[in-house]
Amino acid sequence: EAQVTQNPRYLITVTGKKLTVTCSQNMNHEYMSWYRQDPGLGLRQIYYSMNVEVTDKGDVPEGYKVSRKEKRNFPLILESPSPNQTSLYFCASRRSPAGATGNTIYFGEGSWLTVV
Amino acid sequence: DQQVKQNSPSLSVQEGRISILNCDYTNSMFDYFLWYKKYPAEGPTFLISISSIKDKNEDGRFTVFLNKSAKHLSLHIVPSQPGDSAVYFCAASALTGNQFYFGTGTSLTVIP
Repeated sequence: EAQVTQNPRYLITVTGKKLTVTCSQNMNHEYMSWYRQDPGLGLRQIYYSMNVEVTDKGDVPEGYKVSRKEKRNFPLILESPSPNQTSLYFCASRRSPAGATGNTIYFGEGSWLTVV
Repeated sequence: DQQVKQNSPSLSVQEGRISILNCDYTNSMFDYFLWYKKYPAEGPTFLISISSIKDKNEDGRFTVFLNKSAKHLSLHIVPSQPGDSAVYFCAASALTGNQFYFGTGTSLTVIP
């Protein structure tokens, strides 16, 4: 079954304590990305990766890091989380970087992160 | 600045009637559009897409209309069913681009 899997699904952490949200896809997709969903703001892209070792900033990259050492994995790292990073995070993947017809985005189930 | 806008945060419709969800965009380079549906505690799932070479795409009860001159698209659900109650996001991209831009979502409630 085609899947994007992210962990943890729910996490409460304290300000400044480094954390990593993992993301893995089993579809051999080249393109992976991270979004955050906030009330009234919709889905905003944090970082994306067009292939292994190729990453780039999205619209809201501040406070986040990513890495793409393997095609299937794209972890999101919060080096020093702050309360304004409390949000619902989604990992996503698609077959190729370009937005060609049929190149659907697949989303993970989401990770609820609360920073206190 | 929000490049994709969904100006109606919520919509309520009676079961069996038509649901119309609207989306506007500002970037004239966008030429590929998608609608996603999201249930609580789940990730968004793909619903239907349209490229700018068409003005309509239909899939069962779901039809997306694109008005390029107005930079406007809409999703029609006919007939609406209670299981359609969810948040709907529209998204846009340039075919040669590598980012999708999402709207803020519209929460649809279909009343039995």
